[in-house]
Amino acid sequence: EDQVTQSPEALRLQEGESSSLNCSYTVSGLRGLFWYRQDPGKGPEFLFTLYSAGEEKEKERLKATLTKKESFLHITAPKPEDSATYLCAVQAASGGSYIPTFGRGTSLIVHP
Amino acid sequence: DSGVTQTPKHLITATGQRVTLRCSPRSGDLSVYWYQQSLDQGLQFLIQYYNGEERAKGNILERFSAQQFPDLHSELNLSSLELGDSALYFCASSERGVYTDTQYFGPGTRLTVL
Repeated sequence: EDQVTQSPEALRLQEGESSSLNCSYTVSGLRGLFWYRQDPGKGPEFLFTLYSAGEEKEKERLKATLTKKESFLHITAPKPEDSATYLCAVQAASGGSYIPTFGRGTSLIVHP
Repeated sequence: DSGVTQTPKHLITATGQRVTLRCSPRSGDLSVYWYQQSLDQGLQFLIQYYNGEERAKGNILERFSAQQFPDLHSELNLSSLELGDSALYFCASSERGVYTDTQYFGPGTRLTVL
């Protein structure tokens, strides 16, 4: 069974304090790993897609990396507006179709 | 604003009832996905449609059904509702429905079953 585990469950940072969120996965036939940001009561907002080990993508203060077993979302010098839940998802082949599996998320709070 | 619309925003109903949730995808997107998000289960994939045809099925209960219409909007029907069906239901859309697509999520429908 495909599994996606995110850690930590919750993270509190001071503004400017850099850190990393982890997403470890156990899937067969990985076709992509996705990062989303979700604000309370709203739909997830797409951040990045990574397809192969060694790939990296950046957007403002966020940088996502991928290895064969896990992905990291690095947050550099975070600001209070970065506070949100960050979701990781994998898309894996299953009987000819592709089923997305989401992790439970990391709730990030950045204090000013 | 992702361009995906969902109605209604909130829905309160009783156990045993049936409800219909509606989703309109972004202009030009042919694929629609339905998800359920609850506190204890996280975000769970239910079902995907592409241009009117079912493409992938996840953990969707037999009491739930969905369809995508010729104008590409989609409806998720939930019947014989139970307390445990209370959750946020999200619709997402993508251009081609393939694994490389970016999925754009709607604002969700919050369902409360009393």
